[in-house]
Order: sequence, then C-alpha cells, then structure tokens
Amino acid sequence: ETGVTQTPRHLVMGMTNKKSLKCEQHLGHNAMYWYKQSAKKPLELMFVYNFKEQTENNSVPSRFSPECPNSSHLFLHLHTLQPEDSALYLCASSQAQQLSNQPQHFGDGTRLSIL
Amino acid sequence: GESVGLHLPTLSVQEGDNSIINCAYSNSASDYFIWYKQESGKGPQFIIDIRSNMDKRQGQRVTVLLNKTVKHLSLQIAATQPGDSAVYFCAENLRPSSGYSTLTFGKGTMLLVSP
Repeated sequence: ETGVTQTPRHLVMGMTNKKSLKCEQHLGHNAMYWYKQSAKKPLELMFVYNFKEQTENNSVPSRFSPECPNSSHLFLHLHTLQPEDSALYLCASSQAQQLSNQPQHFGDGTRLSIL
Repeated sequence: GESVGLHLPTLSVQEGDNSIINCAYSNSASDYFIWYKQESGKGPQFIIDIRSNMDKRQGQRVTVLLNKTVKHLSLQIAATQPGDSAVYFCAENLRPSSGYSTLTFGKGTMLLVSP
C-alpha cells in the first residue's frame, strides 16, 4: 500500500470545467508537493506546502489553485485549463522541507487530459 | 538550463547483466542525491540516496557512487532482472539561503531488460 494516495487516477475534462485533484499521505510528513510531469521533460515543481504554509509557487498560472487544509491532505483545484496542461500530476511528501537529507515520496499521480 | 542530466536516454541489457546508469550534475553546492525508479503508470519510487559527504552507498542489488570532483552520480544494479525495466531519475537537493530545500530532477533513463 502506497503511503501517498492520489485521486482520481485519470481525469478528462473540458477547458471550461472545474475539477479538483486530491492527495493524502499516511507517512506522518509535514511537507507536501505538487509536480507536473510532461512527456520528455523533467519533473516540474509547482507548489510546496510546509507545515500547511505555502513556501513555493513556481510561477504556476492562476488556473491552478492549491489548498492544504492539514499536513496530510493536499488539493489542486483546476479551472479553465488549456490543452497544454494535459500531463501527469504527481503529489509527493517529505518529513519537512527544511530537512535536506530526506527523500520525497510520491503518489502514482493523476493522468489529466484536457479536451 | 537543467542542472541535472543523464548521459544515456535508453539502456538495453540482458537479464543477469549488471547495469550502470549515469547522471551529471552542475551545482557543486548540492548536498544530497536520490535515485528514483518509475514504472509505467506509476509514480517515482525511491530507490537509494546518498549524502554529499559520502562516495558510495549500497542497498539491495543497488549501489550509488558519487564523484564530487567531476560532479557525477551513478546507479549500479547488479544481476538486472526484467522487473527492473523502468525509467530511472536522479535528483539533486539544493538548500538555498532561504533554508528550504528543493529537488531538481533529470529527464530520466529508460532501462530495458531482455530475458
């Protein structure tokens, strides 16, 4: 059983739809991350929350809106997306962002397709 | 530009052979490195890590070597099995003056193991 669970696993939506991605971690971590993975590109960091506070917004368009109600849950709210937003969205967690020698643990991602 | 890169995009080996996957990094201030394995349809899975004060670390069938002089990282897989077929990423951790660590990922190397 994975320590980081993402739902849904697959999502197809139109450009005018509003949807949310959910991530839950069962590892007792305090930092959570959203990444975008596109074909033939390295993982792109989008957002970081450390102890529920957002510490990183990597110039992400406002059509992506993160929410972190507690250290175990992370959401990514989507609205008015573009076709180029189609990708695999990965959630990760780590013990705390200020600890540099701790790995991030990933979920299996949500495969998002924008029509 | 990308600070973490891989020499070979695809590596094909026979079952039972030893595999070596290489990674170059450009930031000498990086203090921690991780190897991840990503199978089709899944998120990156932590394999092994190494701190910058070490040259070598061994796990089960895997060894990571760090050469700080030439800023090179490698992953060695002994007795490669078909189940090892996946994309392998290296990641480097940098802790800027803000104190918050960030991981930078390479594009990945596809390892193909033939029976």
